[in-house]
Amino acid sequence: GEDVEQSLFLSVREGDSSVINCTYTDSSSTYLYWYKQEPGAGLQLLTYIFSNMDMKQDQRLTVLLNKKDKHLSLRIADTQTGDSAIYFCAETANRDDKIIFGKGTRLHILP
Amino acid sequence: NAGVTQTPKFRILKIGQSMTLQCAQDMNHNYMYWYRQDPGMGLKLIYYSVGAGITDKGEVPNGYNVSRSTTEDFPLRLELAAPSQTSVYFCASRYGNSPLHFGNGTRLTVT
Repeated sequence: GEDVEQSLFLSVREGDSSVINCTYTDSSSTYLYWYKQEPGAGLQLLTYIFSNMDMKQDQRLTVLLNKKDKHLSLRIADTQTGDSAIYFCAETANRDDKIIFGKGTRLHILP
Repeated sequence: NAGVTQTPKFRILKIGQSMTLQCAQDMNHNYMYWYRQDPGMGLKLIYYSVGAGITDKGEVPNGYNVSRSTTEDFPLRLELAAPSQTSVYFCASRYGNSPLHFGNGTRLTVT
């Protein structure tokens, strides 16, 4: 079945770049997503990428997709204290309509 | 548009009680989903629906039931609440291949 894996924690100094990684198993995935969850809140869509793309940039966010290795990454440039949150990677398969989430990466910002 | 609306925001249940978590969306989305998020964990898919009258099991459907009699509403029913169902429940919806829109969650405690 489908599975999405992420490392659980990442610590980054303020001003540095953060890179959050994700691997997925379903080679038929059409869309891959990054969501952000702040404490006590719901999930907010950050960005997403279609499976025929290699890269997508949106202001401080860069998404890289390596379809051969089934690896997705989210780079946050110039990390700020407001970026402290849990980041979830998710995939949607074409053959069914499920959207499967990873366990989330908790990003901690060091002063 | 109100987006995805979940009620109630909080609920405490005794073991064996039943309740319905309500979810409504006003965006004419065809897909709707229920997830649960346990403390420090990712999201697990409980049930989903691709349109009115159609529902399917997700990863963790046991102990829950759903119905989708209208496009707008997707209630989640707990018949015999158990402590293992203590969690935060998120409803989400989307149209076609668009990203998921999430509600703000229902925090349920079963004691």
